[in-house]
Amino acid sequence: NAGVMQNPRHLVRRRGQEARLRCSPMKGHSHVYWYRQLPEEGLKFMVYLQKENIIDESGMPKERFSAEFPKEGPSILRIQQVVRGDSAAYFCASSLILAGTRSGELFFGEGSRLTVL
Amino acid sequence: DQQVKQNSPSLSVQEGRISILNCDYTNSMFDYFLWYKKYPAEGPTFLISISSIKDKNEDGRFTVFLNKSAKHLSLHIVPSQPGDSAVYFCAASSRDQAAGNKLTFGGGTRVLVKP
Repeated sequence: NAGVMQNPRHLVRRRGQEARLRCSPMKGHSHVYWYRQLPEEGLKFMVYLQKENIIDESGMPKERFSAEFPKEGPSILRIQQVVRGDSAAYFCASSLILAGTRSGELFFGEGSRLTVL
Repeated sequence: DQQVKQNSPSLSVQEGRISILNCDYTNSMFDYFLWYKKYPAEGPTFLISISSIKDKNEDGRFTVFLNKSAKHLSLHIVPSQPGDSAVYFCAASSRDQAAGNKLTFGGGTRVLVKP
């Protein structure tokens, strides 16, 4: 399967614990985007990363949330000291951007569903 | 500040009829527009797109229309099929190259196609 892979698909945490969500982009893609979908809402942009760089984190809450995309390995979205309001589906997407072109399309994973008890 | 809006949260249509989904945007920097389809417990999948240099793009049963002056786009599905029942998201991206392929999404429209 050469698609965007996210794990875990489901994660249950108690308030105050940490949640770590992983995303492996499509083969050859070096751009990763994280989105959050709260129940009955649309997808909200959180952060855009390239290898080892955060390009745009304008959608990330200022506290408790962090993201990385290391040179080796998957991108990780980390939520510290989770609260009930963090319960949501977190989607990762990747894209391939060639110099001088814009395809505009993002390829999404199946999401990680976080439940905070 | 919602830059992309889908004002109809749901739509019910009879099989074989046309489904029309609407989307409005406010950011004049948006120059590429996409529709995604999402089934429950799955990730969004790309459906069709349109560049701002066009006003129509067609792919099989799906057609997207863009009215730049009104900052409005619509998706037509004809004929609608039961398998089209899903949530449809409108999305837009900016000509700002620093944004990469960052998409701004609308709130979605849930479509139910009745047999």
